[in-house]
Amino acid sequence: QITLKESGPTLVKPTQTLTLTCTFSGFSLSTSGVGVGWIRQPPGKALEWLALIYWDDDKRYSPSLKSRLTITKDTSKNQVVLTMTNMDPVDTATYYCAHFYGGIRPNPYYFDYWGQGTLVTVSS
Amino acid sequence: DIQLTQSPSFLSASVGDRVTITCRASQGISSYLAWYQQKPGKAPKLLIYAASTLQSGVPSRFSGSGSGTEFTLTISSLQPEDFATYYCQQLNSYPFTFGPGTKVDIK
Repeated sequence: QITLKESGPTLVKPTQTLTLTCTFSGFSLSTSGVGVGWIRQPPGKALEWLALIYWDDDKRYSPSLKSRLTITKDTSKNQVVLTMTNMDPVDTATYYCAHFYGGIRPNPYYFDYWGQGTLVTVSS
Repeated sequence: DIQLTQSPSFLSASVGDRVTITCRASQGISSYLAWYQQKPGKAPKLLIYAASTLQSGVPSRFSGSGSGTEFTLTISSLQPEDFATYYCQQLNSYPFTFGPGTKVDIK
């Protein structure tokens, strides 16, 4: 049974750095084709893909946020960490982590298990 | 970036209706498209991947089709638990963009 759970601060001040941790179980991030991604959703708005880290430590970022994001993994702890620098009120959103299945094409790609999400508010 | 558009953005339907949602990509994405259902306050749920493959445990009234730039999600007979917002996502190239969503409401 795959589960993921996000943790981190619920409130950050503008210009601060946000650090979110995704703790997962039921799979290993050293298995070929597996990844963990981060997706966010501002209140009342659509989903936005942020970043993805693969089993082989390949990392991919949203170009619009790449300069502010860092994604890392700790395979032994079953955790993935996302940091976002220089937070702004527009970054207020629910942040989700999700299990990603991919690998060598033509394998299908998808996010099949999601955490419950954590609401982060950016305000002074 | 590949842009996704969804139509309609909102639809009002009755239980038992057949519902079709369209997702269009700004460039070809082969079959690297997924559909998600999201209910208020909940995480998205994967319904369909690879444009037409039903995720395990998802009712067969959901189906997907398409390839290239045009895709559809069909609910053959809308059930009360299907009232939600539906998102498409392309996974052909980074960034893995989402569509703006289609909210399905009760008529």
